Amino acid sequence: AQSVTQLDSQVPVFEEAPVELRCNYSSSVSVYLFWYVQYPNQGLQLLLKYLSGSTLVESINGFEAEFNKSQTSFHLRKPSVHISDTAEYFCAVGRAGGTSYGKLTFGQGTILTVHP
Amino acid sequence: NAGVTQTPKFRVLKTGQSMTLLCAQDMNHEYMYWYRQDPGMGLRLIHYSVGEGTTAKGEVPDGYNVSRLKKQNFLLGLESAAPSQTSVYFCASSYSGGPTYEQYFGPGTRLTVT
Repeated sequence: AQSVTQLDSQVPVFEEAPVELRCNYSSSVSVYLFWYVQYPNQGLQLLLKYLSGSTLVESINGFEAEFNKSQTSFHLRKPSVHISDTAEYFCAVGRAGGTSYGKLTFGQGTILTVHP
Repeated sequence: NAGVTQTPKFRVLKTGQSMTLLCAQDMNHEYMYWYRQDPGMGLRLIHYSVGEGTTAKGEVPDGYNVSRLKKQNFLLGLESAAPSQTSVYFCASSYSGGPTYEQYFGPGTRLTVT
């Protein structure tokens, strides 16, 4: 079984400041890692994912996340946030290999609020 | 394409009442999922389906039933609603179950059981 812990439930920052949203996971098997974003009153959207290869993955809107196997972490970062980045962010893991049927285990979510 | 749609958007039930939530997707996806989202708990998988006519239990299936009679629709039923089922329910679909296939989410149904 897998579990995901997002270490901060809320992160307030000012516009153009850097931000890091922390995610740790636990699993007895290899996993794939995802970050999803939920804008107010909407469903979740995939932000980025790590499957294999380079441990640093990037999204089209400037976010990046680094897979750290030794620390079992997948923290999300952005060097300069915008008001439009205000949303709730979810870290998720899926089992690699075997027959997982695409099932994901989600963290508790981190609400990022960007202030002007 | 409408993507993933959910009906209704909001609903208030009294304890013991029943209802069905409808999820529809127009992307010809094989896999569909029902999640519930509760504050501080993220999303938890209720049931899922890997194709028309199939269903399977997820992490929190008790109190819910599902059906996938048509490939494009995935129904979630509550036979006797309880206040503990007050939540926001999300449906998602994906082309297949591999990690390269993104899950697409609907806008959610906010259910209150009094």
